[in-house]
Amino acid sequence: GQNIDQPTEMTATEGAIVQINCTYQTSGFNGLFWYQQHAGEAPTFLSYNVLDGLEEKGRFSSFLSRSKGYSYLLLKELQMKDSASYLCAVMDSNYQLIWGAGTKLIIKP
Amino acid sequence: DAMVIQNPRYQVTQFGKPVTLSCSQTLNHNVMYWYQQKSSQAPKLLFHYYDKDFNNEADTPDNFQSRRPNTSFCFLDIRSPGLGDAAMYLCATSREREKGSQYFGPGTRLTVL
Repeated sequence: GQNIDQPTEMTATEGAIVQINCTYQTSGFNGLFWYQQHAGEAPTFLSYNVLDGLEEKGRFSSFLSRSKGYSYLLLKELQMKDSASYLCAVMDSNYQLIWGAGTKLIIKP
Repeated sequence: DAMVIQNPRYQVTQFGKPVTLSCSQTLNHNVMYWYQQKSSQAPKLLFHYYDKDFNNEADTPDNFQSRRPNTSFCFLDIRSPGLGDAAMYLCATSREREKGSQYFGPGTRLTVL
């Protein structure tokens, strides 16, 4: 079967750095996505990786290793507004997104 | 601004009373998706349309139906809502199936009494 694993919840301090990991086993691979979802709202697109390596976008960076079936989302200079769930999703060989359950990130002052 | 719009944002219905949720998009994207998301769970794909080509997920209950009368609009019909159908329903679009990022509407939160 297809599976996406990510931690259920993480806590970090305002101004710090946090890394959210995601491992996956899917039927084929056509890219990995990270989405941010605030409570009660829809997911919003953060990043897309299809080749190995690090993609940086402002305070957020995303890393991919296809051979290890592994990705992480790195958030720097954490702000209170970063408190949200972060969902990892992989596009499989049928071009469908397989979603993780999300990691709830709690930011403390 | 180009966007995905869902109406209503909040819908309350009674057990067994049919309900229709609507989605419209101004992005002119070919693909539209309906997801069901329950609290602290991953979004679950119910259907997707590639243009007018309808794709039903194998485990989507028969109680759920969908229509896409034109490129801009898509509807989700729940014929006989049960308590287990209470969830957030998300509509999303993408330019092409093969090209990544999906753009989500704000969602409709369905309550079943």
